[in-house]
Amino acid sequence: EPEVTQTPSHQVTQMGQEVILRCVPISNHLYFYWYRQILGQKVEFLVSFYNNEISEKSEIFDDQFSVERPDGSNFTLKIRSTKLEDSAMYFCASSDQLGETQYFGPGTRLLVL
Amino acid sequence: AQSVTQLGSHVSVSEGALVLLRCNYSSSVSVYLFWYVQYPNQGLQLLLKYLSGSTLVKGINGFEAEFNKSQTSFHLRKPSVHISDTAEYFCAVRSNTGNQFYFGTGTSLTVIP
Repeated sequence: EPEVTQTPSHQVTQMGQEVILRCVPISNHLYFYWYRQILGQKVEFLVSFYNNEISEKSEIFDDQFSVERPDGSNFTLKIRSTKLEDSAMYFCASSDQLGETQYFGPGTRLLVL
Repeated sequence: AQSVTQLGSHVSVSEGALVLLRCNYSSSVSVYLFWYVQYPNQGLQLLLKYLSGSTLVKGINGFEAEFNKSQTSFHLRKPSVHISDTAEYFCAVRSNTGNQFYFGTGTSLTVIP
C-alpha cells in the first residue's frame, strides 16, 4: 500500500541553524501539507501546497518557514533560523485529487537546542 | 473557522469492554470528519471518515463512528477493545471549502488486561 515517507526520523539542531525536513508524498497525490505537534499538544496545520504554490497557511507559518517541491517526488519544509519553540514533531501529509482524505507520514522529530 | 473538542484527555478501559471517545465540533459550514490513531512513536493513521451519506461510518480495526449533525458530534466507539488499541486518538474536521484540517487535542486510550 502506498504511503507517505519522511526523512530524517529525528533531527537535533542548534538554535539559529537552518533545517530542511523532507517528505515523499504518495505518488499520484496532488495536495501536500505540513503539520506540527508540539509535545503534549494538538496537531496544528502549517501549510498546504497545490500546483506548485501555497494554497493555505496558518499564522504559525511565518517568514522563517518555506516549502518547496524541488522535483516530481519530494516535498520539503525549510526552517531558516530555528528557535527553541520550533521543537516538535513535524508531519507531512498528502491527499488525492479530491482533496478529502489526508494520508500522514510517520513524522520527523525536531529538537532545537 | 472550525474547532474540535475531545472530552476526556485520558480514557482507561478493560480489555473486551466498550469504549466511547467523544468528539464535538463547531463550524458554520458543512464539514468532513475524520478519526486518526497515533500509536506510540508512529505517525497518524486514518481510522475512518465521514464525507456524506450514511451517518454511521465503519472503519478499520472494528471502530465505528456516528455523525450527528444536530449535536455537531462524531463520537468514536468500539464494542470490544483489545490491548493493541492502546494509542492516541485524534478527531479532525475539514470544511468543504478548504484543505486545512483542524485537530482536537487527542484522547489517550489505555486498554488494561
